[in-house]
Amino acid sequence: GAGVSQSPRYKVTKRGQDVALRCDPISGHVSLYWYRQALGQGPEFLTYFNYEAQQDKSGLPNDRFSAERPEGSISTLTIQRTEQRDSAMYRCASSRGGLAGGSETQYFGPGTRLLVL
Amino acid sequence: AQSVTQLGSHVSVSEGALVLLRCNYSSSVPPYLFWYVQYPNQGLQLLLKYTSAATLVKGINGFEAEFKKSETSFHLTKPSAHMSDAAEYFCAVTPRDNNDMRFGAGTRLTVKP
Repeated sequence: GAGVSQSPRYKVTKRGQDVALRCDPISGHVSLYWYRQALGQGPEFLTYFNYEAQQDKSGLPNDRFSAERPEGSISTLTIQRTEQRDSAMYRCASSRGGLAGGSETQYFGPGTRLLVL
Repeated sequence: AQSVTQLGSHVSVSEGALVLLRCNYSSSVPPYLFWYVQYPNQGLQLLLKYTSAATLVKGINGFEAEFKKSETSFHLTKPSAHMSDAAEYFCAVTPRDNNDMRFGAGTRLTVKP
């Protein structure tokens, strides 16, 4: 596609429910990143994929959060047993290659705004 | 760990005035540094990045930033503000050897007519 797309754009859920957020990166982009952005804050790194391999998940806040990218393209971020503190904008980004080396640029999607009631 | 601090959560300038958005980084070795802009209901867009070539980096929309190692700074400037520059601006840093990008809290720029 022309850019990174995310769905849904908005998600309202009740506390305790599971949610799945989808990211469709730019075609051919090897690297994919997930970020969480609270209101009034900058994006916070969650996890990073190189092809289908999850190479860094140090930013996932707890074991309720998980992500996968089984075929090295579309990725899903899943939050189990949602809590009100999970409410935020979840952003996905992709790049042709990894950021080490400085030559690559991340392209961000529009985000999914999650509201947990 | 790398980090960035953006001084001033809100900056207001008049149209045609100089824009200066401040960013200081914390890193044991010179990292890669970025400025992103976020317009309402849109994703972040890269304005410019420093990757150890020229210390004065020119970006899109007339913005530029200068890497100053002695001051650990990477401030964003534009000589003359335009109404369309009103947005939120984020400074970000990443180490040279991995993909862990850290963002500042952001600065909201308002441009007054």
